[in-house]
Amino acid sequence: DAGITQSPRHKVTETGTPVTLRCHQTENHRYMYWYRQDPGHGLRLIHYSYGVKDTDKGEVSDGYSVSRSKTEDFLLTLESATSSQTSVYFCASSLRDTLNTEAFFGQGTRLTVV
Amino acid sequence: DAKTTQPPSMDCAEGRAANLPCNHSTISGNEYVYWYRQIHSQGPQYIIHGLKNNETNEMASLIITEDRKSSTLILPHATLRDTAVYYCIVRANNAGNMLTFGGGTRLMVKP
Repeated sequence: DAGITQSPRHKVTETGTPVTLRCHQTENHRYMYWYRQDPGHGLRLIHYSYGVKDTDKGEVSDGYSVSRSKTEDFLLTLESATSSQTSVYFCASSLRDTLNTEAFFGQGTRLTVV
Repeated sequence: DAKTTQPPSMDCAEGRAANLPCNHSTISGNEYVYWYRQIHSQGPQYIIHGLKNNETNEMASLIITEDRKSSTLILPHATLRDTAVYYCIVRANNAGNMLTFGGGTRLMVKP
Protein backbone atom coordinates (compact mmCIF):
# COMPACT_ATOMS: atom_id res chain seq x y z
CA ASP A 1 0.00 0.00 0.00
CA ALA A 2 1.07 3.58 -0.66
CA GLY A 3 2.45 5.47 2.33
CA ILE A 4 -0.28 7.96 3.06
CA THR A 5 -1.02 9.10 6.58
CA GLN A 6 -3.48 11.51 8.07
CA SER A 7 -3.18 13.46 11.29
CA PRO A 8 -4.80 13.74 13.65
CA ARG A 9 -6.91 10.59 13.48
CA HIS A 10 -9.50 12.01 15.87
CA LYS A 11 -10.28 15.56 16.89
CA VAL A 12 -12.96 17.33 18.86
CA THR A 13 -13.16 21.06 18.47
CA GLU A 14 -15.51 23.90 19.32
CA THR A 15 -17.68 25.79 16.90
CA GLY A 16 -15.92 28.82 15.48
CA THR A 17 -12.36 27.58 15.98
CA PRO A 18 -9.96 26.99 13.10
CA VAL A 19 -8.91 23.42 12.41
CA THR A 20 -6.19 22.04 10.14
CA LEU A 21 -5.99 18.44 9.02
CA ARG A 22 -2.81 17.10 7.52
CA CYS A 23 -2.25 14.53 4.83
CA HIS A 24 1.25 13.22 4.20
CA GLN A 25 2.31 10.86 1.42
CA THR A 26 5.69 9.33 0.74
CA GLU A 27 5.02 8.11 -2.80
CA ASN A 28 5.85 11.32 -4.66
CA HIS A 29 2.33 11.33 -6.07
CA ARG A 30 1.42 14.43 -7.98
CA TYR A 31 -2.32 14.42 -7.25
CA MET A 32 -3.87 14.67 -3.81
CA TYR A 33 -7.48 14.89 -2.70
CA TRP A 34 -9.62 15.60 0.34
CA TYR A 35 -12.99 13.90 0.75
CA ARG A 36 -15.57 13.94 3.48
CA GLN A 37 -17.88 11.08 4.28
CA ASP A 38 -21.25 11.43 5.96
CA PRO A 39 -24.06 8.94 6.45
CA GLY A 40 -26.34 8.92 3.43
CA HIS A 41 -23.91 10.86 1.25
CA GLY A 42 -21.01 8.56 0.59
CA LEU A 43 -17.67 10.22 -0.14
CA ARG A 44 -17.75 13.75 -1.51
CA LEU A 45 -14.78 15.64 -2.89
CA ILE A 46 -13.85 18.84 -1.05
CA HIS A 47 -10.67 20.00 -2.78
CA TYR A 48 -7.93 18.48 -4.84
CA SER A 49 -4.42 19.36 -5.89
CA TYR A 50 -2.65 18.61 -9.14
CA GLY A 51 0.76 19.82 -8.04
CA VAL A 52 2.57 22.05 -5.61
CA LYS A 53 0.56 25.23 -5.14
CA ASP A 54 -2.00 24.03 -7.70
CA THR A 55 -5.39 23.33 -6.16
CA ASP A 56 -9.01 23.40 -7.19
CA LYS A 57 -12.44 23.04 -5.65
CA GLY A 58 -14.52 19.92 -5.47
CA GLU A 59 -18.26 19.60 -5.02
CA VAL A 60 -18.43 20.61 -1.33
CA SER A 61 -15.68 23.19 -0.93
CA ASP A 62 -17.57 25.91 0.96
CA GLY A 63 -16.03 26.54 4.37
CA TYR A 64 -12.79 24.77 3.51
CA SER A 65 -9.42 25.85 2.19
CA VAL A 66 -6.35 23.84 1.24
CA SER A 67 -2.66 24.35 0.75
CA ARG A 68 0.05 22.33 -0.95
CA SER A 69 3.48 23.80 -0.36
CA LYS A 70 5.30 20.48 -0.79
CA THR A 71 4.57 17.45 -2.92
CA GLU A 72 4.15 15.24 0.13
CA ASP A 73 1.82 17.40 2.20
CA PHE A 74 -1.76 18.50 1.58
CA LEU A 75 -3.43 20.51 4.32
CA LEU A 76 -7.17 21.00 4.78
CA THR A 77 -8.25 23.98 6.87
CA LEU A 78 -11.63 24.75 8.33
CA GLU A 79 -11.38 28.48 8.92
CA SER A 80 -14.23 28.57 11.42
CA ALA A 81 -15.56 25.12 12.22
CA THR A 82 -19.31 24.53 12.23
CA SER A 83 -21.33 21.57 13.44
CA SER A 84 -22.18 20.70 9.82
CA GLN A 85 -18.50 19.97 9.30
CA THR A 86 -18.60 17.11 11.75
CA SER A 87 -17.58 14.26 9.51
CA VAL A 88 -14.95 11.70 8.63
CA TYR A 89 -12.32 13.17 6.34
CA PHE A 90 -10.28 11.07 3.93
CA CYS A 91 -7.20 12.08 2.03
CA ALA A 92 -6.08 10.33 -1.15
CA SER A 93 -3.23 10.54 -3.63
CA SER A 94 -2.54 9.28 -7.12
CA LEU A 95 0.50 9.25 -9.32
CA ARG A 96 -0.36 10.24 -12.83
CA ASP A 97 -2.61 12.66 -14.59
CA THR A 98 -4.12 10.06 -16.88
CA LEU A 99 -7.24 8.03 -16.40
CA ASN A 100 -5.40 4.76 -16.07
CA THR A 101 -4.21 5.09 -12.50
CA GLU A 102 -5.44 4.21 -9.04
CA ALA A 103 -5.82 6.35 -5.95
CA PHE A 104 -4.62 5.43 -2.47
CA PHE A 105 -6.54 6.54 0.58
CA GLY A 106 -5.53 7.34 4.11
CA GLN A 107 -7.25 5.90 7.14
CA GLY A 108 -9.39 8.94 7.81
CA THR A 109 -9.76 11.67 10.41
CA ARG A 110 -12.87 11.74 12.53
CA LEU A 111 -13.70 15.37 13.31
CA THR A 112 -16.38 16.37 15.77
CA VAL A 113 -17.42 20.01 16.07
CA VAL A 114 -19.32 20.75 19.28
CA ASP B 1 -19.65 12.54 -15.95
CA ALA B 2 -21.08 9.11 -16.44
CA LYS B 3 -23.17 8.00 -13.48
CA THR B 4 -23.33 4.53 -12.06
CA THR B 5 -26.17 2.52 -10.61
CA GLN B 6 -25.59 -0.28 -8.12
CA PRO B 7 -27.92 -2.32 -5.92
CA PRO B 8 -27.79 -0.96 -2.37
CA SER B 9 -27.10 -4.30 -0.76
CA MET B 10 -26.31 -7.93 -1.48
CA ASP B 11 -25.64 -11.08 0.50
CA CYS B 12 -23.22 -13.83 -0.35
CA ALA B 13 -22.38 -17.13 1.32
CA GLU B 14 -18.81 -17.55 2.49
CA GLY B 15 -16.74 -19.47 -0.05
CA ARG B 16 -19.08 -18.69 -2.92
CA ALA B 17 -18.51 -16.21 -5.70
CA ALA B 18 -19.85 -12.72 -5.15
CA ASN B 19 -21.04 -11.02 -8.32
CA LEU B 20 -21.60 -7.30 -7.93
CA PRO B 21 -23.31 -5.56 -10.86
CA CYS B 22 -22.97 -1.97 -11.99
CA ASN B 23 -24.76 -0.03 -14.70
CA HIS B 24 -23.02 2.88 -16.42
CA SER B 25 -25.04 3.39 -19.56
CA THR B 26 -23.73 6.92 -20.25
CA ILE B 27 -20.07 6.02 -20.12
CA SER B 28 -17.94 7.68 -22.77
CA GLY B 29 -15.32 6.02 -24.89
CA ASN B 30 -12.23 6.94 -22.90
CA GLU B 31 -13.63 6.55 -19.40
CA TYR B 32 -12.42 3.69 -17.27
CA VAL B 33 -14.51 1.66 -14.85
CA TYR B 34 -13.01 1.46 -11.36
CA TRP B 35 -13.96 -0.57 -8.34
CA TYR B 36 -13.09 0.37 -4.78
CA ARG B 37 -14.28 -1.04 -1.51
CA GLN B 38 -14.54 0.36 1.97
CA ILE B 39 -14.39 -1.88 4.96
CA HIS B 40 -16.05 -0.40 8.01
CA SER B 41 -14.35 2.79 9.24
CA GLN B 42 -11.35 2.38 6.94
CA GLY B 43 -10.28 4.35 3.91
CA PRO B 44 -11.43 3.12 0.50
CA GLN B 45 -9.25 0.47 -1.07
CA TYR B 46 -8.58 0.11 -4.77
CA ILE B 47 -9.64 -3.26 -6.23
CA ILE B 48 -9.43 -3.20 -10.01
CA HIS B 49 -10.14 -1.12 -13.09
CA GLY B 50 -10.65 -1.63 -16.82
CA LEU B 51 -11.52 0.06 -20.07
CA LYS B 52 -12.89 -2.51 -22.50
CA ASN B 53 -11.39 -5.89 -21.80
CA ASN B 54 -12.05 -8.12 -18.85
CA GLU B 55 -9.45 -7.80 -16.14
CA THR B 56 -8.27 -10.06 -13.34
CA ASN B 57 -5.92 -9.55 -10.43
CA GLU B 58 -5.26 -11.22 -7.13
CA MET B 59 -8.34 -9.71 -5.57
CA ALA B 60 -11.06 -9.91 -8.18
CA SER B 61 -12.18 -10.10 -11.79
CA LEU B 62 -13.89 -7.35 -13.73
CA ILE B 63 -16.24 -8.23 -16.56
CA ILE B 64 -17.26 -5.35 -18.85
CA THR B 65 -19.99 -5.86 -21.41
CA GLU B 66 -19.15 -5.32 -25.04
CA ASP B 67 -21.20 -2.13 -25.22
CA ARG B 68 -19.52 -0.98 -21.97
CA LYS B 69 -22.85 -0.01 -20.46
CA SER B 70 -22.50 -2.35 -17.52
CA SER B 71 -19.91 -4.33 -15.61
CA THR B 72 -19.66 -6.98 -12.93
CA LEU B 73 -17.11 -7.32 -10.19
CA ILE B 74 -16.47 -10.91 -9.22
CA LEU B 75 -14.93 -11.99 -5.94
CA PRO B 76 -14.32 -15.66 -6.72
CA HIS B 77 -14.32 -17.06 -3.19
CA ALA B 78 -15.82 -14.54 -0.82
CA THR B 79 -14.64 -14.53 2.79
CA LEU B 80 -16.05 -12.80 5.85
CA ARG B 81 -13.33 -10.17 5.44
CA ASP B 82 -14.83 -9.18 2.09
CA THR B 83 -17.84 -7.72 3.88
CA ALA B 84 -17.68 -4.06 2.81
CA VAL B 85 -19.28 -1.37 0.70
CA TYR B 86 -18.23 -1.74 -2.93
CA TYR B 87 -18.13 1.30 -5.16
CA CYS B 88 -18.30 1.22 -8.93
CA ILE B 89 -16.87 4.44 -10.35
CA VAL B 90 -16.47 5.80 -13.82
CA ARG B 91 -13.41 7.95 -13.86
CA ALA B 92 -14.14 11.60 -14.54
CA ASN B 93 -12.65 12.92 -17.75
CA ASN B 94 -11.57 16.26 -16.37
CA ALA B 95 -8.70 17.83 -14.54
CA GLY B 96 -7.62 16.13 -11.36
CA ASN B 97 -8.94 12.71 -12.26
CA MET B 98 -11.48 12.96 -9.51
CA LEU B 99 -13.23 9.84 -8.29
CA THR B 100 -16.94 10.41 -7.84
CA PHE B 101 -18.35 7.98 -5.31
CA GLY B 102 -21.99 6.98 -5.43
CA GLY B 103 -23.87 4.99 -2.85
CA GLY B 104 -22.16 1.67 -3.54
CA THR B 105 -23.32 -1.85 -2.74
CA ARG B 106 -23.12 -3.09 0.80
CA LEU B 107 -21.96 -6.70 0.50
CA MET B 108 -22.58 -8.93 3.47
CA VAL B 109 -20.71 -12.23 3.40
CA LYS B 110 -22.39 -14.73 5.67
CA PRO B 111 -21.01 -17.94 7.18
